[in-house]
Amino acid sequence: GQNIDQPTEMTATEGAIVQINCTYQTSGFNGLFWYQQHAGEAPTFLSYNVLDGLEEKGRFSSFLSRSKGYSYLLLKELQMKDSASYLCALSNYGQNFVFGPGTRLSVLP
Amino acid sequence: DGGITQSPKYLFRKEGQNVTLSCEQNLNHDAMYWYRQDPGQGLRLIYYSQIVNDFQKGDIAEGYSVSREKKESFPLTVTSAQKNPTAFYLCASSRRESTDTQYFGPGTRLTVL
Repeated sequence: GQNIDQPTEMTATEGAIVQINCTYQTSGFNGLFWYQQHAGEAPTFLSYNVLDGLEEKGRFSSFLSRSKGYSYLLLKELQMKDSASYLCALSNYGQNFVFGPGTRLSVLP
Repeated sequence: DGGITQSPKYLFRKEGQNVTLSCEQNLNHDAMYWYRQDPGQGLRLIYYSQIVNDFQKGDIAEGYSVSREKKESFPLTVTSAQKNPTAFYLCASSRRESTDTQYFGPGTRLTVL
């Protein structure tokens, strides 16, 4: 099986940088994805990592270390609209995804 | 425009009734998925299908059924056997490559009274 852990809630200030962690225990996976989900809406894709290292996409970056079972999503120059839940997900070789519980981020003025 | 549609956005049903949620995509994706999300929770996989006329149970398939007669459509039936059906239901699709992201529909919020 696959266990994925994320902090339940985080709070940060507008303009700051925040790091959302995702740890997992699994025997293997193909890639790790990050999604953003505003309340009552569908998740939208942010970033993914297949290889270890950092992937940067504008204000968002994602990092993966397979040996440590660890990923993080880094959000820079926080804006009020970044208040949302952030989900990490593992894609299996059988093409189905396993999602973590999500981290609810509140950005304060 | 290409995308995934789910209808209706909100659905109310009486306890004991079966209800079918629709999911249609015109992205030419082979794989389709159904998830359930409860308040403050992550997504849990109900069923998925990688090809027409074939589907697999996810983690919480009991009380649900699906069909995949066409590539574009993957309807989900919530049966009366599902003990706690009130939830937000999300449909997604992707290409078959496992490094491809899943694209989500807008979701259906089902309330059983």
